Amino acid sequence: DAKTTQPTSMDCAEGRAANLPCNHSTISGNEYVYWYRQIHSQGPQYIIHGLKNNETNEMASLIITEDRKSSTLILPHATLRDTAVYYCIVMIGGGSNYKLTFGKGTLLTVNP
Amino acid sequence: DTGVSQNPRHKITKRGQNVTFRCDPISEHNRLYWYRQTLGQGPEFLTYFQNEAQLEKSRLLSDRFSAERPKGSFSTLEIQRTEQGDSAMYLCASSLSAGTQYGYTFGSGTRLTVV
Repeated sequence: DAKTTQPTSMDCAEGRAANLPCNHSTISGNEYVYWYRQIHSQGPQYIIHGLKNNETNEMASLIITEDRKSSTLILPHATLRDTAVYYCIVMIGGGSNYKLTFGKGTLLTVNP
Repeated sequence: DTGVSQNPRHKITKRGQNVTFRCDPISEHNRLYWYRQTLGQGPEFLTYFQNEAQLEKSRLLSDRFSAERPKGSFSTLEIQRTEQGDSAMYLCASSLSAGTQYGYTFGSGTRLTVV
């Protein structure tokens, strides 16, 4: 699976949009981009995933560049409860032997 | 369904003792994963099951570790002769078969402290 690069930490003001970048320059054509987050002392939580089109759900939006070498997770109106470590993961879809491989992620701190 | 359940939430044990953790996945999920997470690191893959079959084990899973998933339902992770380096959060996750439209659902983990 391709590796990802994320900033170690970011800050965001409450109520503002949080934009979390991820570089995955070696991504292959059949790899999806997944985002998970982990709030302190809890297990990771699935946020969103995509292949090449932008995606939106009730939690966030995922913007993937046309060359698919980077993506941005957008939390449109960050709240204090969005403070967490955010993991960007690329993984081949389907198949029997693929599993999520986590890096260190980005610690997002939402400030009041 | 209340999601993935892990028990116990916390376990303190003396070095050299055996410990067992349990994971109850979402009932219709046929895949079950175990991860280990130490402070400041992302979760590290240990092993996974498709139904009752254990399909992959990480090299992190030494011979002191064993995992089972009898009848493809709940799973147990046992650590024998615990060492201080085993202190970590042990996370369980489940998913439907590896279709990309399905994310993993994680439990809240079991925090193991070996003293």
